[in-house]
Amino acid sequence: AQTVTQSQPEMSVQEAETVTLSCTYDTSESDYYLFWYKQPPSRQMILVIRQEAYKQQNATENRFSVNFQKAAKSFSLKISDSQLGDAAMYFCAYRSAFGEAGGTSYGKLTFGQGTILTVHP
Amino acid sequence: EAGVAQSPRYKIIEKRQSVAFWCNPISGHATLYWYQQILGQGPKLLIQFQNNGVVDDSQLPKDRFSAERLKGVDSTLKIQPAKLEDSAVYLCASSFLSGGSYEQYFGPGTRLTVT
Repeated sequence: AQTVTQSQPEMSVQEAETVTLSCTYDTSESDYYLFWYKQPPSRQMILVIRQEAYKQQNATENRFSVNFQKAAKSFSLKISDSQLGDAAMYFCAYRSAFGEAGGTSYGKLTFGQGTILTVHP
Repeated sequence: EAGVAQSPRYKIIEKRQSVAFWCNPISGHATLYWYQQILGQGPKLLIQFQNNGVVDDSQLPKDRFSAERLKGVDSTLKIQPAKLEDSAVYLCASSFLSGGSYEQYFGPGTRLTVT
């Protein structure tokens, strides 16, 4: 079974600065997807960024980028130019790439424990 | 495009009572998921539907939890009887298909408190 670990229960950053959230995972699969989700107090889970394991290039979405180290099974999220609206719980998640073709656990997301990010003005 | 709808947003019940949650996925999405999120933890999958069939319910406590997806659209998750440890946020999500690159879209969740 796959596991996802976020070792930082809480992080804080000053507005306009950069912060990095850490995530490690364990899997025996060679093809999979990794995600970072943001969950504000409203509880709505919002996709921040996605990385496909077979792509060596790190994903980037505006101020959000990842550092994907497949061999080390590490997947960190960097938030640049932090804004007050970035304050939320952030979850790292794993999903098998085996979709309709097979696999017994396809589709489901396996989440880490989350990191609470505080942004100070 | 309307998002995933869930109701109620909040529910407080006493232990041993029953409760039901409702989810309406995004139109056209074949796959529907129910996740349980205990305070301070990440969501955990309870059950996954493909159209109106169950494809994964390995983490569903079947002695007290049940779920159905009527006509492959709306879904209901029921707990009977509830225990204190069932206090959590119940998230519904949907995707066009399961796996692959298809994004899961989440609803706002139902916060259940069992006293």
